[in-house]
Amino acid sequence: GAVVSQHPSRVICKSGTSVKIECRSLDFQATTMFWYRQFPKQSLMLMATSNEGSKATYEQGVEKDKFLINHASLTLSTLTVTSAHPEDSSFYICSASRGRVGGGNQPQHFGDGTRLSIL
Amino acid sequence: GESVGLHLPTLSVQEGDNSIINCAYSNSASDYFIWYKQESGKGPQFIIDIRSNMDKRQGQRVTVLLNKTVKHLSLQIAATQPGDSAVYFCAETPAGTASKLTFGTGTRLQVTL
Repeated sequence: GAVVSQHPSRVICKSGTSVKIECRSLDFQATTMFWYRQFPKQSLMLMATSNEGSKATYEQGVEKDKFLINHASLTLSTLTVTSAHPEDSSFYICSASRGRVGGGNQPQHFGDGTRLSIL
Repeated sequence: GESVGLHLPTLSVQEGDNSIINCAYSNSASDYFIWYKQESGKGPQFIIDIRSNMDKRQGQRVTVLLNKTVKHLSLQIAATQPGDSAVYFCAETPAGTASKLTFGTGTRLQVTL
């Protein structure tokens, strides 16, 4: 159990395009979803945390107007990279958890990531 | 600031030997720790977790040790197999597992035949 599906797995698009990435929890209800960014040979950096039905909480330095997050249901969160530019090229990974921030012990389960390449 | 072009530390282990991957954490308020395995082009996969009220926890072929005094975490893999080759990250969280995870820098495990 605890399968998280992320789609698409790879996107290549022109500069200025907006790109939407979906994250779905397939067999559990995800109260909280997280979006990370990972550069080559580096660790995961948290971008934002979202709870179902409320606005996402962004980490310092992450532009909320650039990276739009929607968590409309307990099984789906989306990240939209608006007007993407080459510097936005990266590996974006989502995770989902049954628990709320500050709640009981519920591990985060990760999707397989989306490799975004902006030309 | 963010490091650019950081090379992951690498641990080379012969197949069948035991592996020990270490991690130092900085937040003394962290009370929950997780080890993740990440294969190339994939997301992190949960391996094992441990709470701060424990100092050891065992899974199938894996053991996590926690030393809160020196803020050190280790992952031991018994009888390492080629399929264990991956990057391993430790992650910590201050209160409850749904709280924000802070990931360590990662260690690349290479299993040689």
